[in-house]
Amino acid sequence: KAGVTQTPRYLIKTRGQQVTLSCSPISGHRSVSWYQQTPGQGLQFLFEYFSETQRNKGNFPGRFSGRQFSNSRSEMNVSTLELGDSALYLCASSLAGMVADTQYFGPGTRLTVL
Amino acid sequence: DAKTTQPTSMDCAEGRAANLPCNHSTISGNEYVYWYRQIHSQGPQYIIHGLKNNETNEMASLIITEDRKSSTLILPHATLRDTAVYYCIVRVEAGANNLFFGTGTRLTVIP
Repeated sequence: KAGVTQTPRYLIKTRGQQVTLSCSPISGHRSVSWYQQTPGQGLQFLFEYFSETQRNKGNFPGRFSGRQFSNSRSEMNVSTLELGDSALYLCASSLAGMVADTQYFGPGTRLTVL
Repeated sequence: DAKTTQPTSMDCAEGRAANLPCNHSTISGNEYVYWYRQIHSQGPQYIIHGLKNNETNEMASLIITEDRKSSTLILPHATLRDTAVYYCIVRVEAGANNLFFGTGTRLTVIP
């Protein structure tokens, strides 16, 4: 079974631009979560989607948004990019997002903001 | 969220068992203990999880104390490829599918 895939793997943007990252979960998984990883803050939870609805949200500004499609694929968008948004963005999928469900991570998208 | 405490770093000789401790003294009765690892700049890799009983899979063993206030991840025969940051995570309440990653333990396997 194919794992979680994320595209693109690397991205370079300039301040003020916006960016869209994509995540395809493991087949059959309906929950998709997004995380941001930076050297200073470590791995932080952004939000989770289940059945096309945002179910949980971390403490990030409104510039960070996401959505999920009917096939469970998810996208996250960052508008008005700032230098501090440079990070590794990780997507994780699980069956239904219950506490005993294991989350499996993709390889991440490395975003650099210049 | 139940917080976890892990040593910042550990070394282990190649071929020996690596024992990574984790304290989670405020864990609730229905909270699971999960272990992930992250090799430099890759996505975290799931290792194992447990609730009360000890667990073993092809990668590792998880030993949870009877009072559930601490656990130990055991890699039975560490290899150089096991060099990574290991995260011990206590899952939050049901319905909140977010993992709280602390700083983890940086394990270095030495030849």
